[in-house]
Amino acid sequence: KQEVTQIPAALSVPEGENLVLNCSFTDSAIYNLQWFRQDPGKGLTSLLLIQSSQREQTSGRLNASLDKSSGRSTLYIAASQPGDSATYLCAVEANSGYALNFGKGTSLLVTP
Amino acid sequence: GAVVSQHPSWVICKSGTSVKIECRSLDFQATTMFWYRQFPKQSLMLMATSNEGSKATYEQGVEKDKFLINHASLTLSTLTVTSAHPEDSSFYICSARPPGASGYEQYFGPGTRLTVT
Repeated sequence: KQEVTQIPAALSVPEGENLVLNCSFTDSAIYNLQWFRQDPGKGLTSLLLIQSSQREQTSGRLNASLDKSSGRSTLYIAASQPGDSATYLCAVEANSGYALNFGKGTSLLVTP
Repeated sequence: GAVVSQHPSWVICKSGTSVKIECRSLDFQATTMFWYRQFPKQSLMLMATSNEGSKATYEQGVEKDKFLINHASLTLSTLTVTSAHPEDSSFYICSARPPGASGYEQYFGPGTRLTVT
């Protein structure tokens, strides 16, 4: 059974810092991996999707990498801002059309 | 991008009553939709896979007679929580993916906050 782990569970940084969120998964046979953002009491916002054949994806200040063989992904946030404060969820899809398997998330607080 | 809506966004009901939550894909057809549940400070856990025109597939530990899923059309799936109890209070989120080429994102609804008193 696929298990997705995110480290750290919580993180507090001052504004402007670069930071890395980590995600690991136990079964490397994945179809793709997605990073989501969730604000308190809200739904999910998709940030980046990396297909299994890709190594990284970038969107603005966000960069996600994927090392499928080692079962790891990182989400890099450059020049963090208070508006980045949210919970970041990593999720893997085992095969096309399957449901996503989520980690517990990293709660990020960026202080002014 | 594709849009998935949910209704209602929040609902409060009394213990023993039933509540229906709708999940709609607004600009695409979805033969499969997924229903997740999220308890406070926990991650999303898959409850069931909703298949248009056939019975839903439930995850282990999810009572199919309590959580009734009906995928009535290619754009609508409903989740009915029957005889709700306070422990059913949770955040329920659905997702769907547009058909077509591989690698598409799954799109999530905004979620429904259920509180059972």
